[in-house]
Amino acid sequence: DAKTTQPPSMDCAEGRAANLPCNHSTISGNEYVYWYRQIHSQGPQYIIHGLKNNETNEMASLIITEDRKSSTLILPHATLRDTAVYYCIVRVAGSGTYKYIFGTGTRLKVLA
Amino acid sequence: DTGVSQNPRHKITKRGQNVTFRCDPISEHNRLYWYRQTLGQGPEFLTYFQNEAQLEKSRLLSDRFSAERPKGSFSTLEIQRTEQGDSAMYLCASSSSPTTYEQYFGPGTRLTVT
Repeated sequence: DAKTTQPPSMDCAEGRAANLPCNHSTISGNEYVYWYRQIHSQGPQYIIHGLKNNETNEMASLIITEDRKSSTLILPHATLRDTAVYYCIVRVAGSGTYKYIFGTGTRLKVLA
Repeated sequence: DTGVSQNPRHKITKRGQNVTFRCDPISEHNRLYWYRQTLGQGPEFLTYFQNEAQLEKSRLLSDRFSAERPKGSFSTLEIQRTEQGDSAMYLCASSSSPTTYEQYFGPGTRLTVT
C-alpha cells in the first residue's frame, strides 16, 4: 500500500517556482523520503532525497516538516522540460536492501 | 551509454504466450530490482536480486512470473501463459552498495497482451 498521497495534477508558469506537496503521515523514523520524476515513456529519474533536514541540489530543494509527516519538492525556476509526473516515495527496509513504495504521483504541467 | 538498459522496449503478444524481458544493470551495481507499472499508476515492486540471489518477491509476482540473474549481471523476467491483465510497463532498476541505495531505472519494456 502506498505510504504517500499527492495531488493528482498541478500547473506552473514557466520561470516560476513549482511547489509539489506530499503527505506521508505514517512514515517511520528511519524511512527516507525520495522524489523521482517520470517523463512520458521513460523510466523514473532521481531528483532528491532526505530524512529529517531540508536538502538542496542542482535540480531541486526538499523541505521536510519537523514532524516528518509531509514534505514539499521545490523546482525553483520551472521550464517546459520539467513537465512530468513527480513521485514522492517512501523508502522502506526490505530483505537486505531498501524498496521504494511509490504513490500515484503529481502530473506537473509547466505552461509557457 | 552506461545506464540501465532493457530489451525489448516494446512487446506485443497474444494471450497464452510466454514472454521474456532482459535487463542489463549499471556494471558495478550488485542490486537489481523489477517493478511493474500500469497506466496511471506509480511503479509497484516485484522482486529484488543481490548479486545472483533473489532475496525478495512481492505477492504481485504470481507463479506465472519468474526472474533470474544467473551470473549476478543481467537479469531476465519471464511471464508464462500471459493474460491481458499482464499488460503493463516492466521497469528494471539497479543500485550499488554501500551508498544511499539510490536506484537507477531503465527505460522499461512495454508489454501489450492481446
